Amino acid sequence: EPEVTQTPSHQVTQMGQEVILRCVPISNHLYFYWYRQILGQKVEFLVSFYNNEISEKSEIFDDQFSVERPDGSNFTLKIRSTKLEDSAMYFCASTPLGGLRLNTEAFFGQGTRLTVV
Amino acid sequence: AQRVTQPEKLLSVFKGAPVELKCNYSYSGSPELFWYVQYSRQRLQLLLRHISRESIKGFTADLNKGETSFHLKKPFAQEEDSAMYYCALKTDKLIFGTGTRLQVFP
Repeated sequence: EPEVTQTPSHQVTQMGQEVILRCVPISNHLYFYWYRQILGQKVEFLVSFYNNEISEKSEIFDDQFSVERPDGSNFTLKIRSTKLEDSAMYFCASTPLGGLRLNTEAFFGQGTRLTVV
Repeated sequence: AQRVTQPEKLLSVFKGAPVELKCNYSYSGSPELFWYVQYSRQRLQLLLRHISRESIKGFTADLNKGETSFHLKKPFAQEEDSAMYYCALKTDKLIFGTGTRLQVFP
């Protein structure tokens, strides 16, 4: 069964450093999402991406964040200068054509735990 | 405002006991709601969606628009049901609740 895969599973980085979280969505999916979950808190939407551009972003997704689909298979989330409060579990998700507007399911990766020290 | 509320952080029951995980939502449009489950060290998986009116692994959930609720129920809990359960509201994205950890003791 196809899966969304994320690498690495755990990333430790120093405050102020840049970090790139990688996701490989399911191959025929067209909509991509990043969510994050700070420990003990809810899963929060960060950004959605379709047709090589951002469809929607939350207020969390400020100028320190960017997303890219560099090669047609990977979908990356970059944090330019990490802060302590960026420590969280980051989930990537993808959906087929139509996105969540249609009767489709979002498939999630296993998450990357980012720890900023 | 679009919001999903799961009031219980932790629900502990014994095997065979009934389970109800509460979910309330706030949404001005016609809601579409889901339950996602996350077993230990695994990814978020769709458990069920209200429009399917299905029972998955013995779980059911009924959308009550009057009470703006979508509680997840199972009449007889099993140990393998132990997991984090997230209620989610679908708009152009998924809006999640804070999750409820279900612990089923033998």
